[in-house]
Amino acid sequence: GENVEQHPSTLSVQEGDSAVIKCTYSDSASNYFPWYKQELGKGPQLIIDIRSNVGEKKDQRIAVTLNKTAKHFSLHITETQPEDSAVYFCAATPGTYKYIFGTGTRLKVLA
Amino acid sequence: DVKVTQSSRYLVKRTGEKVFLECVQDMDHENMFWYRQDPGLGLRLIYFSYDVKMKEKGDIPEGYSVSREKKERFSLILESASTNQTSMYLCASSLTGGLAFFGQGTRLTVV
Repeated sequence: GENVEQHPSTLSVQEGDSAVIKCTYSDSASNYFPWYKQELGKGPQLIIDIRSNVGEKKDQRIAVTLNKTAKHFSLHITETQPEDSAVYFCAATPGTYKYIFGTGTRLKVLA
Repeated sequence: DVKVTQSSRYLVKRTGEKVFLECVQDMDHENMFWYRQDPGLGLRLIYFSYDVKMKEKGDIPEGYSVSREKKERFSLILESASTNQTSMYLCASSLTGGLAFFGQGTRLTVV
């Protein structure tokens, strides 16, 4: 069935270093890939998204890359700060109702 | 500011009770979703609705039902709560093909 694999499940980085989270999707019809950040006790919030006609998108310290051929997409956070500590989820959707979420990555930024 | 509001942040219910989780969105979205979030399992879709009075089963519908009488409101019902339904429940809404907005979550404990 359709699924999204997300790695790693936990990631610890020193403040100021970069963090990379990777996802692989199975449904070749997927054409929209959002990333969500979930802080403790809160619901997931969209932080960046990319559509299949674009290979890379950047928003300040956050960037997402997409390789459609390999069905991979990745989240890159540069110059990490303690407030970046959270659980991050990737998702893929073929543009219908259904979102397939990854299992999440717990990012810890060590001061 | 877009908003998805869940009626309770925390709930404690007894085994066998009927439980209602309410979700309201103010964005005129046609799609609404209920997810369950458990450690290591990510977000799993329970039910979704793509229109008023329409509903579709997600990946784990057993033990749950839903109601969508108005476009802005989507209710999740646990007919007879059990301890294995202790979890974080997340409501979301979206336009078809658009990004999903999440509520803040309801942490349900069944004792």
